[in-house]
Amino acid sequence: DSGVTQTPKHLITATGQRVTLRCSPRSGDLSVYWYQQSLDQGLQFLIQYYNGEERAKGNILERFSAQQFPDLHSELNLSSLELGDSALYFCASSVEGGGTDTQYFGPGTRLTVL
Amino acid sequence: AQSVSQHNHHVILSEAASLELGCNYSYGGTVNLFWYVQYPGQHLQLLLKYFSGDPLVKGIKGFEAEFIKSKFSFNLRKPSVQWSDTAEYFCAVIPKAAAGNKLTFGGGTRVLVKP
Repeated sequence: DSGVTQTPKHLITATGQRVTLRCSPRSGDLSVYWYQQSLDQGLQFLIQYYNGEERAKGNILERFSAQQFPDLHSELNLSSLELGDSALYFCASSVEGGGTDTQYFGPGTRLTVL
Repeated sequence: AQSVSQHNHHVILSEAASLELGCNYSYGGTVNLFWYVQYPGQHLQLLLKYFSGDPLVKGIKGFEAEFIKSKFSFNLRKPSVQWSDTAEYFCAVIPKAAAGNKLTFGGGTRVLVKP
């Protein structure tokens, strides 16, 4: 157990819908990251937040958005869902968010878009 | 932009065999390097990391990796594998000059250890 929690574990929805994935970082960690793992794209970085502010951005679609709240939990919002958005979405956290920080990963949310 | 290549997608070996997984990265500057492991049904876990100093890095569970700067490589090794090493292994890099902590992962190598 990494100490990072993600809910829900599984999510099944239809195309065109909107979903919200939630992540709670390890106690004391200020930075949160979101990654997408799919068969064709592999593991891809989406976005990083540090203490509520966006720190780095990756290949995140405009239909996707994220935020980190004052209590440091984070939510990833996926809208206008397409079949290709089906993937495993991982959240990770680290103490500060610099390049030498170890990222601790959560168990992931498996999203299936039908 | 940086990229990471793991040339072996699948590896099958028997217990007690030695394991070596290749990882090459493409980036002009200096990088921090990581190996993560994902056991079946579990989350990604850090095996080891390299930032600077001795290019031979020892990690958990008997794994080690060697950074060869001239070859842009960071290969993972274990002298004698066990059935419990069955997992998917990911190499990742972060450019030292990058803002934030954006891990770029390789495509992963699935390792199956036969008992």
